[in-house]
Amino acid sequence: AQSVTQLDSQVPVFEEAPVELRCNYSSSVSVYLFWYVQYPNQGLQLLLKYLSGSTLVKGINGFEAEFNKSQTSFHLRKPSVHISDTAEYFCAVSDWSDKLIFGTGTRLQVFP
Amino acid sequence: DADVTQTPRNRITKTGKRIMLECSQTKGHDRMYWYRQDPGLGLRLIYYSFDVKDINKGEISDGYSVSRQAQAKFSLSLESAIPNQTALYFCATSDRLDTDTQYFGPGTRLTVL
Repeated sequence: AQSVTQLDSQVPVFEEAPVELRCNYSSSVSVYLFWYVQYPNQGLQLLLKYLSGSTLVKGINGFEAEFNKSQTSFHLRKPSVHISDTAEYFCAVSDWSDKLIFGTGTRLQVFP
Repeated sequence: DADVTQTPRNRITKTGKRIMLECSQTKGHDRMYWYRQDPGLGLRLIYYSFDVKDINKGEISDGYSVSRQAQAKFSLSLESAIPNQTALYFCATSDRLDTDTQYFGPGTRLTVL
């Protein structure tokens, strides 16, 4: 069975500082990995995804993530955050079944 | 106009009542999903449908039922609502030719008293 662990439930950070949101997964088969973002009072939208190929994946709004198979991780990073990045971020995994398994979410709070 | 719409956006009901949440999409996708979101638990899959005649239970289907009336419509019903079904419910869609990306509706906030 697959599972996703997001190690931090909340991450406070000041504007223009770098941020890393951590995600680890567990799976016995090859997986696809995703990061979704949920802005206040909105549904989720895809930030980026890893299917195959380059382990460094670039997404929207300046975010990127690196797939590390040996550490079973897919951490999300941004070198300089903005107030507008305040949101909840979900890591997710899927396999051949096309169903997403979500982590519990990390709330990123950016302070001025 | 939004590609994935959910109605109602907010609903307060009483224990034991039957509730239907509706989802419509204009994306032309064949796959549709229902999730519930609870604080600290993330999103959990309730039911999913890969086409009109294919409906499958997800991780937490007990107490819920669904109906896929057409390719564009997927409804979630709570036959007899209970307080622990208070949650934020999301509908999502995906295309069988790009199954990796799901598109979410704005959510329905349901409160069961």
